[in-house]
Amino acid sequence: SQQGEEDPQALSIQEGENATMNCSYKTSINNLQWYRQNSGRGLVHLILIRSNEREKHSGRLRVTLDTSKKSSSLLITASRAADTASYFCATPLRGNTPLVFGKGTRLSVIA
Amino acid sequence: DTAVSQTPKYLVTQMGNDKSIKCEQNLGHDTMYWYKQDSKKFLKIMFSYNNKELIINETVPNRFSPKSPDKAHLNLHINSLELGDSAVYFCASSQSPAGTNEKLFFGSGTQLSVL
Repeated sequence: SQQGEEDPQALSIQEGENATMNCSYKTSINNLQWYRQNSGRGLVHLILIRSNEREKHSGRLRVTLDTSKKSSSLLITASRAADTASYFCATPLRGNTPLVFGKGTRLSVIA
Repeated sequence: DTAVSQTPKYLVTQMGNDKSIKCEQNLGHDTMYWYKQDSKKFLKIMFSYNNKELIINETVPNRFSPKSPDKAHLNLHINSLELGDSAVYFCASSQSPAGTNEKLFFGSGTQLSVL
């Protein structure tokens, strides 16, 4: 079963611009996580936001969480060509279950 | 040292064959997972083990059998391979189940092609 769904499916921007990706989910969660996947590689954890947090920062990344709307957003500021990758949100479906991933947003940053 | 390593990286085989993918983590984590990523990049959980015990087995055909000889290893054996099994298989680990606010560490994937 699918929990998170990212939007847009694909995003193309110029280097230096900001990139915003959104994630909507269906059930109550205790945390939401964002991962990056470069082409042909495994997923790399970016940031975890707990259900009682509204915003979290890590370097050029900013994540927000709105539990009333069951949505989250990932903002990458001052994007670089190296940010080109697929970005996934993921949540535990219930309790101590594994993460369920969305289909991802493909980000292309053009130099 | 690679934290989560899986072998082989590429696996090309004929329909009907049996194959195995191995995974090892050196992070001292208690929980390990197998995920399958299809051609559309959709990542689906297959199995989850905590301290060598199976805790989650999603709707996966019983041709797929995970084996965890110790908590640092989680291998995946696939019998009677079918064309639809072609995908990238990822092993991952976390300190404890992800629902307890733990992040996952992924291997680099095994690209399985069934001809």
